[in-house]
Amino acid sequence: SQKIEQNSEALNIQEGKTATLTCNYTNYSPAYLQWYRQDPGRGPVFLLLIRENEKEKRKERLKVTFDTTLKQSLFHITASQPADSATYLCALDPTGANNLFFGTGTRLTVIP
Amino acid sequence: DAGVIQSPRHEVTEMGQEVTLRCKPISGHNSLFWYRQTMMRGLELLIYFNNNVPIDDSGMPEDRFSAKMPNASFSTLKIQPSEPRDSAVYFCASNEQGLPNTEAFFGQGTRLTVV
Repeated sequence: SQKIEQNSEALNIQEGKTATLTCNYTNYSPAYLQWYRQDPGRGPVFLLLIRENEKEKRKERLKVTFDTTLKQSLFHITASQPADSATYLCALDPTGANNLFFGTGTRLTVIP
Repeated sequence: DAGVIQSPRHEVTEMGQEVTLRCKPISGHNSLFWYRQTMMRGLELLIYFNNNVPIDDSGMPEDRFSAKMPNASFSTLKIQPSEPRDSAVYFCASNEQGLPNTEAFFGQGTRLTVV
């Protein structure tokens, strides 16, 4: 069956450190992968998109990598802040038909 | 634009009752998605419309669930009859298909509780 797994349900890190979240998928060959942020009581909000021919994408303190051989994406937040505390979701379109499927998410807590 | 608008924000209903959730996508977007989010299963895609036509409803759990999109600015998700296991947060999202790899814009969600 097709799966999108995010390595841990919850991650706690100290403020100022780099948070690294993992997204693994099986039985897909997506052309791109997206990362979203979700705060309690809100809908997911788009952060970054990385294409299969891109190894790395950056946006301010965020960095995403995409390894199509390992079928894995890593999402990094450098110099983390308490305001970064949220649930982070990876998403991909397995068929190219504009259907986005989501991982179960990782709840990040940045401790002051 | 006010973004994707969902109503109601919260709905509490008794088992067996009909429930209708509503969504107004972002103006100009031609794709609309309904998702359901629970702690156990995460965010599940229920159905996807393109240009008001249902493209993929394979995620709709049962015949009790139905969705319509009568025009480009309105969609409904109906559950009839509702059951306690339908309790979840239901999200609507929209985007503009035709552009490569576009992000999805989500509404605030409807928290449904069936008692």
